[in-house]
Amino acid sequence: AQKVTQAQTEISVVEKEDVTLDCVYETRDTTYYLFWYKQPPSGELVFLIRRNSFDEQNEISGRYSWNFQKSTSSFNFTITASQVVDSAVYFCALSEAFRAGNMLTFGGGTRLMVKP
Amino acid sequence: NAGVTQTPKFRVLKTGQSMTLLCAQDMNHEYMYWYRQDPGMGLRLIHYSVGEGTTAKGEVPDGYNVSRLKKQNFLLGLESAAPSQTSVYFCASSRRSTPEAFFGQGTRLTVV
Repeated sequence: AQKVTQAQTEISVVEKEDVTLDCVYETRDTTYYLFWYKQPPSGELVFLIRRNSFDEQNEISGRYSWNFQKSTSSFNFTITASQVVDSAVYFCALSEAFRAGNMLTFGGGTRLMVKP
Repeated sequence: NAGVTQTPKFRVLKTGQSMTLLCAQDMNHEYMYWYRQDPGMGLRLIHYSVGEGTTAKGEVPDGYNVSRLKKQNFLLGLESAAPSQTSVYFCASSRRSTPEAFFGQGTRLTVV
């Protein structure tokens, strides 16, 4: 069985601070995918990134960066110089690579509040 | 290109009533899903479909039925609504070849 844990339920920061959202996962599969989704106050779910389990390179996209560490089963998300528009609920998710259906297992989400 | 569209966006039901949520995608995706979102629990998979005419149970299927008669549509039915089914429902779709799912805007359902 797969499991995704986001231990931080809520984080509050002041604008321009850096913030890291933690994600720890469990899976028996050797090949899998990890994801981050953003849910802004408007409610929709926005895909941010997918990482493959065989690719441990960290990724940076503007103010966003992701640190994938297979040894600790973690896939953490850092926002540098946070902005009020980053306020949202962020979900980490996992799917098996070779199972038909690409079903996602989600963590409970972390609500990020960025104050001006 | 509308992506994934859910109908309706809001609904209030009385206990015991039935309803159908409609999901339509225009991306020619093979896979479609219904998730429910409850506070603190993330999203949980209700049912999914890997192709037209096929459906399968997810993590929390009880009380729901689904049908996928056309590739672009995935219907979620509640035969006899219960207050425990008060939730936000999300439909999603993905390609067979790439695992990231794209979501509709959600349906907020309240059962009183």
